[in-house]
Order: sequence, then structure tokens, then C-alpha cells
Amino acid sequence: DTAVSQTPKYLVTQMGNDKSIKCEQNLGHDTMYWYKQDSKKFLKIMFSYNNKELIINETVPNRFSPKSPDKAHLNLHINSLELGDSAVYFCASSQGSSYGYTFGSGTRLTVV
Amino acid sequence: AQSVTQPDIHITVSEGASLELRCNYSYGATPYLFWYVQSPGQGLQLLLKYFSGDTLVQGIKGFEAEFKRSQSSFNLRKPSVHWSDAAEYFCAVAANNAGNMLTFGGGTRLMVKP
Repeated sequence: DTAVSQTPKYLVTQMGNDKSIKCEQNLGHDTMYWYKQDSKKFLKIMFSYNNKELIINETVPNRFSPKSPDKAHLNLHINSLELGDSAVYFCASSQGSSYGYTFGSGTRLTVV
Repeated sequence: AQSVTQPDIHITVSEGASLELRCNYSYGATPYLFWYVQSPGQGLQLLLKYFSGDTLVQGIKGFEAEFKRSQSSFNLRKPSVHWSDAAEYFCAVAANNAGNMLTFGGGTRLMVKP
């Protein structure tokens, strides 16, 4: 039973395309996140949702749009992909600051 | 805003040797502190966490970390490293009122020599 699952695991696409990454958690957590890990392994938060409501929206291009149909799902849609969007995107969930996060295994996005 | 610094980008140790990975944080109040490990091509796994109480915390895989408020540090230690410990290690801090946001350090890559 995978706690936080992301699909797809790998995504190769051309510049200008639109793509989505899906995330689901079966832990019953209230909060879900998207993080971006760049080529130097630096992890930066992009979005956070709590019970389907956006609570953190860091400075990311508005080409990135998260959608949370319910508290178990948080999808990431990216429009007009650019070379600089190439990275590993991690979904995570938590039940509060003191519990830490549970991470998915990541989606490696390559824009060519 | 909180921040985390991991001064060592790479560390190489021999198998069986002891290990200490450094982590310094910046936060105005008592933070929640975490160590995660990332194996190649994998997600991040929680090793241990501190949010109150005993300043020496035990984690999985034989790791421990000590919170030192006076030094704003939360260093990770292991008495005897195994080859399977080779991975990227991330220290992270969370405020208790920032929407549960974790801020990560830049990571330390651990390599283990046979």
C-alpha cells in the first residue's frame, strides 16, 4: 500500500506542451504539498493545500496550477512548458508540522 | 522566515567509521527539526524528528541527532556507517505556524568507502 503515490514517474515532453502530474495519498492527512527539486538537489516548496484549500503559494510562474479535487488528491498542471521546468517534482502530505511529511517517489520531468 | 544550512556538500567516510552531518537552522522560536534521507532515484524518507523534550532523538537505521539550542544546530550522527547509508541527507525545519511548511537545507551527499 503506497502512502503517497505520484504518476507518472518519468515525463519527457517538448517545450510549449501542457502536462499534468497526479498525486494521491491514503494516509488521511489534511495537508498536501508540491516541492520542486532542481538539478543541484535543492528542494523548494511550490504549493500547499489544506483540506482542498490553497494555503501556501510560493513564487512560481502562473503556468503552474495546482488542483485539489478532494483532500486525498493534489494534482499539478503545467502550461507552456519551458526548459527550466525540468526537475524532479515531489508530492508530500502531512498531518501537522510536528509530524513531518510523507513524500511520494517523485516525478522526473524533462523538457526538451 | 526559517532557514537551514548544511555546510558540507559532500562527505566521504569508510564503512564502519562514525558519521556526523552538520545542520544549522535559523528560526526565532523553538523549531520542529527533521532529517530526511534520499536514495538515488527515490523519494525522501524521514529518519528522525525533534519538536520538544529530550534533545537527543533516536531515529531509524541507527541514526540519532542532537538539538543544541545555543548553537542552533541539529547534527545527525551514526556510530558505524554501512555501505547502504550512501545517499543524500537533508535537514529541514518547520515553524509551528507557517502552514506546516518544511524548509530544507541544501543537502549533504554521503559516500561510503569499502
